[in-house]
Amino acid sequence: DGGITQSPKYLFRKEGQNVTLSCEQNLNHDAMYWYRQDPGQGLRLIYYSQIVNDFQKGDIAEGYSVSREKKESFPLTVTSAQKNPTAFYLCASSKGGLAVRMTGELFFGEGSRLTVL
Amino acid sequence: GESVGLHLPTLSVQEGDNSIINCAYSNSASDYFIWYKQESGKGPQFIIDIRSNMDKRQGQRVTVLLNKTVKHLSLQIAATQPGDSAVYFCAEKDRGSTLGRLYFGRGTQLTVWP
Repeated sequence: DGGITQSPKYLFRKEGQNVTLSCEQNLNHDAMYWYRQDPGQGLRLIYYSQIVNDFQKGDIAEGYSVSREKKESFPLTVTSAQKNPTAFYLCASSKGGLAVRMTGELFFGEGSRLTVL
Repeated sequence: GESVGLHLPTLSVQEGDNSIINCAYSNSASDYFIWYKQESGKGPQFIIDIRSNMDKRQGQRVTVLLNKTVKHLSLQIAATQPGDSAVYFCAEKDRGSTLGRLYFGRGTQLTVWP
C-alpha cells in the first residue's frame, strides 16, 4: 500500500548526541515536510522540500538539518544544538509544492517520538 | 445535547449527538483551509478541506463552514460516534504561499461518551 513510513517510532537519545529520523514515501509526491508537535500545541513546521535537492527552513529550523537527495526520502537530523528536542515528530508529503495556488491534503506518517535522557 | 465550543481545547458530547468544533483565524489572505483528525499517538488524518471561494462543503457525516467575514471556520460532525474521539486541528494557507506553509491551530480534543 502507498503511504509514508517513519522510523523509528520511539527513540531515546543522550544529551549531546545527534539523531536522524527517517521518512520514506512511495506516493510519488514531490513535496515533503517535517513538523514538530509538543503536548497541547499545534504542529510547527521545521523544514520542507518542494522538489528533490531543494529544501526550505520552516518556522523552527534551528538545531535541525535535512537532506533531499531522493524523491522518496526526507531524513531529519536532530542535532545537539537543538535545545529542547524531546517531542513528537511528524513527516508529511503532498502531490505538489511549487505552485502557490496548489491545494490538497498533506499525507502524514505515524510519527516518531524522541526523548532526550 | 449538542455542545458548541469556541476556542475551547476540549469538547465532550454524547454518542449520537452532533458535534461542532470551531476554529478562528486571523489572516484575511488565507485562501485554503483543512481539517485534520489525530488519534492518540498517531499522525493526523485528512478529514475535509475548503477553499476561500466557498462557504460550505460536505463530506460523509462532516460539514465544514467558512465565514470569511468573521474569519471563522467550523467542523460539524453528525451523529458523533466513539470512534470520532480524537484531537481535531484546523490548518490554513496564505494565498501567497505554497502548500508548504500551512499553519495549524492548537487543536480541540473531542471526547464522545456512550
